[in-house]
Amino acid sequence: DAKTTQPPSMDCAEGRAANLPCNHSTISGNEYVYWYRQIHSQGPQYIIHGLKNNETNEMASLIITEDRKSSTLILPHATLRDTAVYYCIVRAAYSGAGSYQLTFGKGTKLSVIP
Amino acid sequence: EAQVTQNPRYLITVTGKKLTVTCSQNMNHEYMSWYRQDPGLGLRQIYYSMNVEVTDKGDVPEGYKVSRKEKRNFPLILESPSPNQTSLYFCATSQGRTRGGYTFGSGTRLTVV
Repeated sequence: DAKTTQPPSMDCAEGRAANLPCNHSTISGNEYVYWYRQIHSQGPQYIIHGLKNNETNEMASLIITEDRKSSTLILPHATLRDTAVYYCIVRAAYSGAGSYQLTFGKGTKLSVIP
Repeated sequence: EAQVTQNPRYLITVTGKKLTVTCSQNMNHEYMSWYRQDPGLGLRQIYYSMNVEVTDKGDVPEGYKVSRKEKRNFPLILESPSPNQTSLYFCATSQGRTRGGYTFGSGTRLTVV
């Protein structure tokens, strides 16, 4: 699976949009971009995933560049409860056991400031 | 409510005393997996199972065993725990590779003294 690069930390004012970037310049055509977050020591929580089109759900939006080498997770109105470590993960869509594995990097620690 | 249940949440044990951490899911997911999380090392996969009676090693399987006798349960067994297995453990399940994401349990914090 392709590697990802994320900034180690970011701050965001409460109520503002949080934009978390991720670089995945070696992504291949059949690889999806997934985002998870982990609040303190709780289990990671799935947020959103996409292949090449932008995606939106009740939690966030995912913007993937046209060349698919980077993406941005957008939390439209950040709250204090969004303070967490956010992980961007690239994962292959081919069949086979290895395609199920999630490889977590260090992620971005997002701090939402009152 | 869809959930992944791990037990116990906290466990302190002594070196060499066999223990089992249970994981149960009510979503009929085929895929289940165990991760451990350590400071500075992030989340690392221990074992995974693609279906009943099908298990395979992840990145850090040494010192662990698993079994998948039924779809809903995927216990993690430490036959002879050692202090370097002190960690935070998570069970995760998934319906399929691209059908949404993984659902993680709440974690088991294990201390081996």
